[in-house]
Amino acid sequence: QVLLVQSGAEMRKPGASVNLSCKASGYTFSSYYMHWVRQAPGQGLEWMGIINPTGGSTNYAQKFQGRVNMTRDTSTSTVYMALSGLTSDDTAVYYCARATAVKTMESIGYWGQGILVTVSS
Amino acid sequence: SYELTQPPSVSVSPGQTADITCSGHKLVDKYVSWYQQRPGQSPVTVIYEDNKRPSGIPERFSGSNSGNTATLTISGTQAMDEADYYCQAWDSSIIFGGGTKLTVL
Repeated sequence: QVLLVQSGAEMRKPGASVNLSCKASGYTFSSYYMHWVRQAPGQGLEWMGIINPTGGSTNYAQKFQGRVNMTRDTSTSTVYMALSGLTSDDTAVYYCARATAVKTMESIGYWGQGILVTVSS
Repeated sequence: SYELTQPPSVSVSPGQTADITCSGHKLVDKYVSWYQQRPGQSPVTVIYEDNKRPSGIPERFSGSNSGNTATLTISGTQAMDEADYYCQAWDSSIIFGGGTKLTVL
């Protein structure tokens, strides 16, 4: 079955960076786009961007342009999301989420378990 | 930028039908997905492409999309359906609605 296993919780100080990982299994990694979505405590879902595992092209939400970098390693079926210039507003649970269908990006079919990132001095 | 609007909360009695709406300009021109999120858990996809159910999702979950409004319908609502529900569409990026808290009481 499709599994998205994310790395463990992280704590950072303001101004620092964080690099999160998401290891995929149970499907052909290169055939499905991967999204990153975050959720601040008590808040709704916020889309951050998407990466095409074939070729590594990306599309980021305007809010995160210049601060986010999504990459992938096809040899290990893992996607990464790096976020820099952290502030307390970046405290959230970060989800990787696989697209619903092959080579489409319009919806999400599977979600990782989420990673809590806490930014505090 | 495109926006999706959901009611903050919906209440339903067990066994009754719950309708959760999602509004957006000419939403019928876009595919809508719905995600269920129970407290402390990751979201789960319950509807995609307006009305398709992923495998494993009970038949009591259905979706529709017409005009400016998409609707998630839960028939014969159960206590386990109590959760936050988010609609989502694509407009050059993923757009989420603000979420609706479904209370089963």
